[in-house]
Amino acid sequence: QQPVQSPQAVILREGEDAVINCSSSKALYSVHWYRQKHGEAPVFLMILLKGGEQKGHEKISASFNEKKQQSSLYLTASQLSYSGTYFCGTATSYGGATNKLIFGTGTLLAVQP
Amino acid sequence: DAGVTQSPTHLIKTRGQQVTLRCSPISGHKSVSWYQQVLGQGPQFIFQYYEKEERGRGNFPDRFSARQFPNYSSELNVNALLLGDSALYLCASSFILWMIRTDTQYFGPGTRLTVL
Repeated sequence: QQPVQSPQAVILREGEDAVINCSSSKALYSVHWYRQKHGEAPVFLMILLKGGEQKGHEKISASFNEKKQQSSLYLTASQLSYSGTYFCGTATSYGGATNKLIFGTGTLLAVQP
Repeated sequence: DAGVTQSPTHLIKTRGQQVTLRCSPISGHKSVSWYQQVLGQGPQFIFQYYEKEERGRGNFPDRFSARQFPNYSSELNVNALLLGDSALYLCASSFILWMIRTDTQYFGPGTRLTVL
């Protein structure tokens, strides 16, 4: 079952904040966040594990609510470089050497000057 | 350090033909996964290989096959191409440690396949 992301699209002005949500109907082991610019490969942002703490890197942070099987990505004081499509990738188990990710529906983020 | 590399960058084929896509993982990474990304959608898992063995397979027909070589590079083969196979094919490599709970996947630039 593909995770559902919300919103589908968001337009921001530079300096504004945004939250992107990722919801799964299955119990999750980990959530991986990626940003993809048009015509390019997805770039890894961060990973959140079951039982792990909230992660953050400069002005981008994320949380993982295990009870709700939801993850949220927080972008603060957005910059033009934040524009792109954000995907969450979910893993339902850690089976040693298997790491299949199921990607969400995507959220298109456009930051305007 | 070199990232994940893929070849070719672009490919145009006609229906019924066969195609082979290649991927070289990040140095030291032993796991390679293949994903198909159709325009406007998220990547869909096709295969995962670790230490030259298939560790996972997505919901794709038998026309799709893959293998991993002793140097951990990988090939994805698609036979009897259909128009619907047109997509960006992404390769991702990861360094799997049994005792560490993370297995971040790093994507290559992809191969854009167009089937006419």
